[in-house]
Amino acid sequence: DQQVKQNSPSLSVQEGRISILNCDYTNSMFDYFLWYKKYPAEGPTFLISISSIKDKNEDGRFTVFLNKSAKHLSLHIVPSQPGDSAVYFCAASTGSQGNLIFGKGTKLSVKP
Amino acid sequence: KAGVTQTPRYLIKTRGQQVTLSCSPISGHRSVSWYQQTPGQGLQFLFEYFSETQRNKGNFPGRFSGRQFSNSRSEMNVSTLELGDSALYLCASTGGQGLDEQYFGPGTRLTVT
Repeated sequence: DQQVKQNSPSLSVQEGRISILNCDYTNSMFDYFLWYKKYPAEGPTFLISISSIKDKNEDGRFTVFLNKSAKHLSLHIVPSQPGDSAVYFCAASTGSQGNLIFGKGTKLSVKP
Repeated sequence: KAGVTQTPRYLIKTRGQQVTLSCSPISGHRSVSWYQQTPGQGLQFLFEYFSETQRNKGNFPGRFSGRQFSNSRSEMNVSTLELGDSALYLCASTGGQGLDEQYFGPGTRLTVT
């Protein structure tokens, strides 16, 4: 039973436009959420996180939105750049020190 | 600051054998976690070690075990290998800031034939 779901395996976006990656979770005990980016042959790299006490967190071109009632979060990348092309994983945890439950990832392709 | 290193990077083993993978965390990090990545199941948490003690454990059979040494280096062992154990095994090193300060190594690609 998948507790964290990324329903879109892939997404293609034009350079300069917005990329929106979505993630749903089922466990209401999750209170800390993270997004990771992964290139082939490398481990995941932390991008941005959000605690359940917030509904938005921004870091440069990356913004994460959390809708607790819908158990949904999204990552917005504005503007998208070709170097953003990678697999993006959503992950959830109970607390900021716990182990991570990952979604299966969304492959983002940003076309020049 | 050196990153997380994992050895070996690639490994081919036969069914029934056992394997040991190694992870050296970032200097000063005391927590090491292990994850398995497969195409079907995605990234799944195996276990976490902190100061030589297993602090968390995922839902994997007892064939998967690990340990952590006093210098925070960690090893994981898989005994009686099965074809389904073929995966990328990732180690993550976590600092005092928690998950925002978690860095993954490049992984060990294990192929079981």
